Amino acid sequence: NAGVTQTPKFRILKIGQSMTLQCAQDMNHNYMYWYRQDPGMGLKLIYYSVGAGITDKGEVPNGYNVSRSTTEDFPLRLELAAPSQTSVYFCASSPTRTSGGDNEQFFGPGTRLTVL
Amino acid sequence: QQQVKQSPQSLIVQKGGISIINCAYENTAFDYFPWYQQFPGKGPALLIAIRPDVSEKKEGRFTISFNKSAKQFSLHIMDSQPGDSATYFCAASRRSTLGRLYFGRGTQLTVWP
Repeated sequence: NAGVTQTPKFRILKIGQSMTLQCAQDMNHNYMYWYRQDPGMGLKLIYYSVGAGITDKGEVPNGYNVSRSTTEDFPLRLELAAPSQTSVYFCASSPTRTSGGDNEQFFGPGTRLTVL
Repeated sequence: QQQVKQSPQSLIVQKGGISIINCAYENTAFDYFPWYQQFPGKGPALLIAIRPDVSEKKEGRFTISFNKSAKQFSLHIMDSQPGDSATYFCAASRRSTLGRLYFGRGTQLTVWP
C-alpha cells in the first residue's frame, strides 16, 4: 500500500492564481482531512470528509474548497491565492471510528506552498 | 480558541535524559488523546495514544501519563536519544466529531549527544 499520497511536493504561486492540491489514499478509509501547518501554530483543520459526497468545514476553511467524488481522492482547491495561504498542507485519512475504538490518522508527506 | 494547550514550545535534552511534554484541555467530552511525532520534511505519525479510563500507558521508552481530574496529560520519553529529535504534537478528539482531532501547537525536541 502506498498509504496517503500528495502532489505536488512543492509549489510557488503568484497572488491571485488558483491551484488544486491532490490527495489520494489506498487504504479504503472513509474519513479524510486537510490540514495546514504554520510554524509554532500546530495543525489547523481546513476541511474534512466522512465519505464520498460528504464534506464539512474545519477551523480555517476560508479561501479553500474541497470535493469528494470517490473514497480514494480528496482534492483541495485554492482560489485566488493570497500570501496568507503560504503554508505546508497535509492530507490525512482514517478508518471509521468504531465504538470504543481509537482513531489513528495517517498523514501524507505534505505539500509546501508559497504564494508571492 | 486553542482547544489543547501544549508546553513547552521547544525542549533541549541531553542524551539519556528524560523528556517531558505537557498538554492541557478544557473540553471534558474529549475521550481520545494521541501523541504524534513529526520529523523534518515528513508528515506526522501516531506515536502513542491513551483513553481516559487509564492513568498511564507505556510503549517502550514512551509513556503517557493522564490526569482526568486536572484535565492534563503528558508524554515522557525515557533515555532520550538523538533519533528522538522531532516535533511532538498532542491532540484530542471526542466520539461525536467523527474522528476530528484538535492539535496542540507542538514541541520541538532536540536531544544532543
